[in-house]
Amino acid sequence: GENVEQHPSTLSVQEGDSAVIKCTYSDSASNYFPWYKQELGKRPQLIIDIRSNVGEKKDQRIAVTLNKTAKHFSLHITETQPEDSAVYFCAASMGPGGYNKLIFGAGTRLAVHP
Amino acid sequence: AAGVIQSPRHLIKEKRETATLKCYPIPRHDTVYWYQQGPGQDPQFLISFYEKMQSDKGSIPDRFSAQQFSDYHSELNMSSLELGDSALYFCASGPPGQGYEQYFGPGTRLTVT
Repeated sequence: GENVEQHPSTLSVQEGDSAVIKCTYSDSASNYFPWYKQELGKRPQLIIDIRSNVGEKKDQRIAVTLNKTAKHFSLHITETQPEDSAVYFCAASMGPGGYNKLIFGAGTRLAVHP
Repeated sequence: AAGVIQSPRHLIKEKRETATLKCYPIPRHDTVYWYQQGPGQDPQFLISFYEKMQSDKGSIPDRFSAQQFSDYHSELNMSSLELGDSALYFCASGPPGQGYEQYFGPGTRLTVT
C-alpha cells in the first residue's frame, strides 16, 4: 500500500544553519508532494509543494527537490530562524485533484536554537 | 484571504454519544477532505468529497459518516463515540478544476470522556 517514510524524526540546529528533511514514498504513481508546517495545536500549513514533472522548486529560504527514480524528495531550509521551529510533515498523493488523498510521513520536529 | 472554517473548535462528549463536526471550505473550492490526527501523530485520511460526491474513503470507522451539501460545506457525523476517537479532526479544501493543493482548517479538538 501507499507509504511515506520521513527522516529524521527530530532535528536540532543553530540559528542560521541549514536544515534538511528527507522523505521516500512507495507508490510510483504518486505525482504531487507537498510539505506542511505544523505548530503545536494548530493546523498544518502548506509551505511548499512540487509536482512530479519538476525536479526542484524554491521559495525564498525553502526549497524542495524530487528524485522520481529513487522515489524520494527533500525539504531544505536555509538560514534557519527560531520561528522555523515546528513539526514538518511531508506528504504524497496521486492526482488528479478531487481524488488525491494525502499520505503523510510521520513528521520531523525541528528545533532552531538562537 | 478567506480560509477553511470548522466548527465547533472544541467538543467534549461522553462515550457512546454522538458528535457532528462541520466544515466550510474556502469559497469556490469544490473538494473537501477529512483527516484525523492523534497526539504526536501525522494526519490520517478519513474521507473526501468532490463536487458533492464521495470521492475516496480511508480508515474511517463504520460509526462515522459524512456528506457534502449543495453549498459545498461538509459534515462529519460520529456515533457511539469511543475514548480512542479523541483527536484533532481537520478538514481541508481543494481548489476547483481538480487542483492539487489542500488547505487545512483550524481543526476541531474532540475529547471523549
